[in-house]
Amino acid sequence: RKEVEQDPGPFNVPEGATVAFNCTYSNSASQSFFWYRQDCRKEPKLLMSVYSSGNEDGRFTAQLNRASQYISLLIRDSKLSDSATYLCVVILNSGNTPLVFGKGTRLSVIA
Amino acid sequence: GAGVSQSPRYKVAKRGQDVALRCDPISGHVSLFWYQQALGQGPEFLTYFQNEAQLDKSGLPSDRFFAERPEGSVSTLKIQRTQQEDSAVYLCASSLDPLHQYSNQPQHFGDGTRLSIL
Repeated sequence: RKEVEQDPGPFNVPEGATVAFNCTYSNSASQSFFWYRQDCRKEPKLLMSVYSSGNEDGRFTAQLNRASQYISLLIRDSKLSDSATYLCVVILNSGNTPLVFGKGTRLSVIA
Repeated sequence: GAGVSQSPRYKVAKRGQDVALRCDPISGHVSLFWYQQALGQGPEFLTYFQNEAQLDKSGLPSDRFFAERPEGSVSTLKIQRTQQEDSAVYLCASSLDPLHQYSNQPQHFGDGTRLSIL
Protein backbone atom coordinates (compact mmCIF):
# COMPACT_ATOMS: atom_id res chain seq x y z
CA ARG A 1 0.00 0.00 0.00
CA LYS A 2 1.30 3.43 -0.95
CA GLU A 3 2.01 5.79 1.93
CA VAL A 4 -0.11 8.54 0.39
CA GLU A 5 -3.07 7.69 -1.84
CA GLN A 6 -5.06 9.99 -4.10
CA ASP A 7 -7.68 9.56 -6.78
CA PRO A 8 -5.71 10.33 -9.98
CA GLY A 9 -8.74 11.81 -11.77
CA PRO A 10 -8.95 13.50 -14.14
CA PHE A 11 -11.59 15.80 -12.74
CA ASN A 12 -13.14 17.82 -15.57
CA VAL A 13 -15.25 20.68 -14.19
CA PRO A 14 -16.79 23.83 -15.67
CA GLU A 15 -15.58 27.27 -14.67
CA GLY A 16 -17.19 28.41 -11.45
CA ALA A 17 -17.73 24.91 -10.10
CA THR A 18 -16.67 23.71 -6.67
CA VAL A 19 -14.41 20.66 -6.66
CA ALA A 20 -12.99 18.59 -3.81
CA PHE A 21 -9.97 16.28 -3.70
CA ASN A 22 -9.28 13.70 -1.05
CA CYS A 23 -6.13 12.00 0.12
CA THR A 24 -5.39 9.29 2.68
CA TYR A 25 -2.08 8.53 4.36
CA SER A 26 -1.00 5.28 5.95
CA ASN A 27 1.44 6.34 8.68
CA SER A 28 -0.36 7.61 11.77
CA ALA A 29 2.90 9.17 12.99
CA SER A 30 2.92 11.65 10.08
CA GLN A 31 3.38 15.17 11.40
CA SER A 32 2.97 17.71 8.62
CA PHE A 33 0.66 17.90 5.64
CA PHE A 34 0.60 19.99 2.49
CA TRP A 35 -1.00 20.43 -0.89
CA TYR A 36 1.34 21.14 -3.79
CA ARG A 37 0.34 22.18 -7.29
CA GLN A 38 2.21 20.98 -10.37
CA ASP A 39 1.60 22.38 -13.84
CA CYS A 40 2.43 20.27 -16.88
CA ARG A 41 6.21 19.92 -17.30
CA LYS A 42 6.87 22.25 -14.37
CA GLU A 43 8.12 21.77 -10.84
CA PRO A 44 5.81 21.23 -7.84
CA LYS A 45 4.95 24.41 -5.96
CA LEU A 46 3.58 24.69 -2.44
CA LEU A 47 -0.10 25.59 -2.52
CA MET A 48 -0.86 25.48 1.18
CA SER A 49 -0.14 23.72 4.44
CA VAL A 50 -2.91 21.72 6.09
CA TYR A 51 -3.74 22.14 9.76
CA SER A 52 -5.97 20.11 12.06
CA SER A 53 -8.26 23.07 12.60
CA GLY A 54 -8.73 23.49 8.85
CA ASN A 55 -7.43 26.48 6.96
CA GLU A 56 -8.50 28.67 4.10
CA ASP A 57 -6.62 30.71 1.53
CA GLY A 58 -8.95 32.60 -0.76
CA ARG A 59 -10.90 30.07 -2.81
CA PHE A 60 -8.94 27.15 -1.36
CA THR A 61 -9.83 25.28 1.84
CA ALA A 62 -7.77 22.45 3.30
CA GLN A 63 -8.78 20.10 6.08
CA LEU A 64 -7.08 17.34 8.04
CA ASN A 65 -8.75 14.49 9.92
CA ARG A 66 -6.04 12.77 11.95
CA ALA A 67 -8.38 10.09 13.29
CA SER A 68 -9.26 8.96 9.76
CA GLN A 69 -5.81 9.85 8.33
CA TYR A 70 -7.53 11.87 5.65
CA ILE A 71 -6.74 15.21 4.01
CA SER A 72 -8.94 17.23 1.70
CA LEU A 73 -8.70 20.24 -0.60
CA LEU A 74 -11.74 22.21 -1.70
CA ILE A 75 -11.57 24.70 -4.56
CA ARG A 76 -14.48 27.10 -4.92
CA ASP A 77 -15.38 29.13 -8.01
CA SER A 78 -12.89 27.23 -10.21
CA LYS A 79 -10.86 29.24 -12.72
CA LEU A 80 -9.28 28.05 -15.95
CA SER A 81 -5.92 28.77 -14.33
CA ASP A 82 -6.64 26.19 -11.62
CA SER A 83 -6.06 23.42 -14.19
CA ALA A 84 -3.08 21.45 -12.87
CA THR A 85 -2.15 18.34 -10.91
CA TYR A 86 -2.67 18.63 -7.16
CA LEU A 87 -0.24 16.62 -5.06
CA CYS A 88 -1.01 15.56 -1.50
CA VAL A 89 2.17 15.63 0.57
CA VAL A 90 3.02 14.26 3.99
CA ILE A 91 6.10 14.62 6.21
CA LEU A 92 6.78 11.89 8.72
CA ASN A 93 9.05 13.72 11.11
CA SER A 94 9.76 17.27 12.16
CA GLY A 95 12.82 19.07 10.87
CA ASN A 96 14.09 18.91 7.30
CA THR A 97 12.88 15.52 6.26
CA PRO A 98 11.80 14.26 2.84
CA LEU A 99 8.38 15.02 1.42
CA VAL A 100 6.23 11.96 0.69
CA PHE A 101 4.04 12.65 -2.32
CA GLY A 102 0.84 11.10 -3.57
CA LYS A 103 0.52 10.40 -7.29
CA GLY A 104 -1.48 13.57 -7.76
CA THR A 105 -5.01 14.39 -8.87
CA ARG A 106 -5.39 16.00 -12.28
CA LEU A 107 -7.88 18.85 -12.59
CA SER A 108 -9.09 20.37 -15.84
CA VAL A 109 -11.31 23.43 -15.60
CA ILE A 110 -13.28 23.92 -18.80
CA ALA A 111 -14.71 27.16 -20.18
CA GLY B 1 19.03 33.72 -10.11
CA ALA B 2 16.77 33.59 -7.09
CA GLY B 3 15.49 30.04 -7.48
CA VAL B 4 16.86 26.51 -7.60
CA SER B 5 18.65 25.97 -10.89
CA GLN B 6 19.06 22.57 -12.52
CA SER B 7 20.99 21.57 -15.62
CA PRO B 8 20.69 20.24 -18.16
CA ARG B 9 16.98 20.79 -18.68
CA TYR B 10 16.81 17.75 -20.94
CA LYS B 11 19.22 14.83 -21.28
CA VAL B 12 19.06 11.95 -23.73
CA ALA B 13 21.49 9.08 -23.26
CA LYS B 14 21.95 5.60 -24.62
CA ARG B 15 21.47 2.66 -22.29
CA GLY B 16 24.72 1.93 -20.52
CA GLN B 17 26.06 5.49 -20.57
CA ASP B 18 26.82 7.46 -17.43
CA VAL B 19 25.03 10.77 -16.81
CA ALA B 20 25.55 13.65 -14.37
CA LEU B 21 22.80 16.02 -13.32
CA ARG B 22 23.54 19.31 -11.60
CA CYS B 23 21.61 21.25 -8.97
CA ASP B 24 22.41 24.78 -7.83
CA PRO B 25 20.31 25.49 -4.71
CA ILE B 26 19.09 28.83 -3.45
CA SER B 27 21.98 30.70 -1.86
CA GLY B 28 22.14 30.06 1.87
CA HIS B 29 19.92 26.99 1.81
CA VAL B 30 21.48 24.32 3.98
CA SER B 31 19.28 21.39 3.02
CA LEU B 32 19.16 19.83 -0.43
CA PHE B 33 16.94 17.00 -1.64
CA TRP B 34 16.84 14.94 -4.84
CA TYR B 35 13.58 13.38 -6.04
CA GLN B 36 12.73 11.17 -9.01
CA GLN B 37 9.39 11.64 -10.78
CA ALA B 38 8.30 8.97 -13.25
CA LEU B 39 5.57 9.72 -15.77
CA GLY B 40 2.15 9.90 -14.11
CA GLN B 41 3.59 9.54 -10.61
CA GLY B 42 4.36 11.89 -7.76
CA PRO B 43 8.00 12.69 -6.96
CA GLU B 44 9.81 10.05 -4.91
CA PHE B 45 12.64 10.83 -2.50
CA LEU B 46 16.16 9.79 -3.47
CA THR B 47 18.62 11.45 -1.11
CA TYR B 48 19.14 14.36 1.31
CA PHE B 49 22.11 16.57 2.17
CA GLN B 50 22.62 18.95 5.04
CA ASN B 51 25.51 21.14 3.92
CA GLU B 52 28.06 18.67 2.50
CA ALA B 53 26.87 15.73 4.60
CA GLN B 54 24.65 13.15 2.93
CA LEU B 55 22.34 12.33 5.83
CA ASP B 56 19.89 10.04 4.04
CA LYS B 57 20.34 8.05 0.85
CA SER B 58 17.68 5.48 1.54
CA GLY B 59 15.72 6.37 -1.60
CA LEU B 60 18.50 5.71 -4.11
CA PRO B 61 17.18 2.78 -6.17
CA SER B 62 20.51 1.04 -6.77
CA ASP B 63 24.26 1.42 -6.34
CA ARG B 64 24.35 2.89 -9.84
CA PHE B 65 23.04 6.12 -8.31
CA PHE B 66 25.48 8.39 -6.53
CA ALA B 67 25.07 11.94 -5.25
CA GLU B 68 27.54 14.43 -3.85
CA ARG B 69 27.65 17.98 -2.55
CA PRO B 70 31.34 18.47 -1.77
CA GLU B 71 31.29 22.13 -0.78
CA GLY B 72 27.81 22.27 0.67
CA SER B 73 26.35 24.20 -2.24
CA VAL B 74 26.07 22.70 -5.75
CA SER B 75 25.08 19.05 -5.88
CA THR B 76 25.55 16.45 -8.60
CA LEU B 77 23.48 13.31 -9.07
CA LYS B 78 25.33 10.71 -11.10
CA ILE B 79 23.78 7.64 -12.65
CA GLN B 80 26.15 4.99 -13.95
CA ARG B 81 25.34 2.39 -16.62
CA THR B 82 21.92 3.91 -17.22
CA GLN B 83 18.90 1.66 -17.80
CA GLN B 84 15.60 2.46 -19.50
CA GLU B 85 13.80 2.45 -16.15
CA ASP B 86 15.96 5.42 -15.11
CA SER B 87 13.99 7.60 -17.54
CA ALA B 88 12.22 10.18 -15.39
CA VAL B 89 12.31 13.79 -14.29
CA TYR B 90 14.92 14.38 -11.60
CA LEU B 91 13.92 17.20 -9.26
CA CYS B 92 16.15 19.03 -6.83
CA ALA B 93 14.77 20.99 -3.88
CA SER B 94 16.43 23.14 -1.26
CA SER B 95 15.35 24.62 2.05
CA LEU B 96 16.71 26.64 4.94
CA ASP B 97 17.94 24.85 8.01
CA PRO B 98 15.08 24.37 10.47
CA LEU B 99 14.96 27.15 13.04
CA HIS B 100 14.13 24.66 15.70
CA GLN B 101 13.45 20.98 16.01
CA TYR B 102 9.76 21.16 15.22
CA SER B 103 9.73 23.37 12.16
CA ASN B 104 9.56 22.34 8.54
CA GLN B 105 11.02 24.87 6.18
CA PRO B 106 9.32 24.91 2.76
CA GLN B 107 11.19 23.08 0.03
CA HIS B 108 11.76 25.07 -3.16
CA PHE B 109 11.99 22.99 -6.31
CA GLY B 110 13.99 23.48 -9.46
CA ASP B 111 12.48 22.90 -12.92
CA GLY B 112 14.00 19.42 -13.03
CA THR B 113 16.08 17.49 -15.54
CA ARG B 114 14.07 15.32 -17.91
CA LEU B 115 16.20 12.21 -18.54
CA SER B 116 15.41 9.86 -21.40
CA ILE B 117 17.33 6.62 -21.80
CA LEU B 118 17.14 5.07 -25.26
